[in-house]
Amino acid sequence: ETGVTQTPRHLVMGMTNKKSLKCEQHLGHNAMYWYKQSAKKPLELMFVYNFKEQTENNSVPSRFSPECPNSSHLFLHLHTLQPEDSALYLCASSPMTSGTDTQYFGPGTRLTVL
Amino acid sequence: GDSVTQMEGPVTLSEEAFLTINCTYTATGYPSLFWYVQYPGEGLQLLLKATKADDKGSNKGFEATYRKETTSFHLEKGSVQVSDSAVYFCALTPKRGSQGNLIFGKGTKLSVKP
Repeated sequence: ETGVTQTPRHLVMGMTNKKSLKCEQHLGHNAMYWYKQSAKKPLELMFVYNFKEQTENNSVPSRFSPECPNSSHLFLHLHTLQPEDSALYLCASSPMTSGTDTQYFGPGTRLTVL
Repeated sequence: GDSVTQMEGPVTLSEEAFLTINCTYTATGYPSLFWYVQYPGEGLQLLLKATKADDKGSNKGFEATYRKETTSFHLEKGSVQVSDSAVYFCALTPKRGSQGNLIFGKGTKLSVKP
């Protein structure tokens, strides 16, 4: 397995469910990111982790809860979501959080909230 | 705040046509500039980048030059192929040593017809 992987690729959940998205990077990077891609809106950065420490929370509602147990794994825990949270959630990693470092993206999880 | 503006799509071209996708940015300091591409059903892939003024990024026949005087980073390709059909995103990271927060444009969908 190489690059950045995300599971599941598709998820349908009700507003009262609790689910988790998983991201794993096999690149030896130290920084990981969650992005939200909604229709007709630019990609939005949600969270940044650097060496397992959260360094950025871009005013994300508390119904999204990230977890980074180590530099290779990143989770996004979801609970009591709203239909407007339906989107493609993308994970990315980079060597560091330097502004010049390339971010490598996973294929995303397509989330539908009913 | 920092932002990226890219031309609205969709763009439809015939194979071997010349491609230009315009991108301009607003940023304080000296951002790094990126073009990412998203093929159907996949995550984003870095296409090319430039980290300082007058740098030219190039990859797979695509080119973009970092123009500080016009705050632009237009993407060009001399002869497109059907396989270039995808969504193209212009992005920046605000400055060196930043959190690596990518700020994206809305994306431009390119369709290339045989």
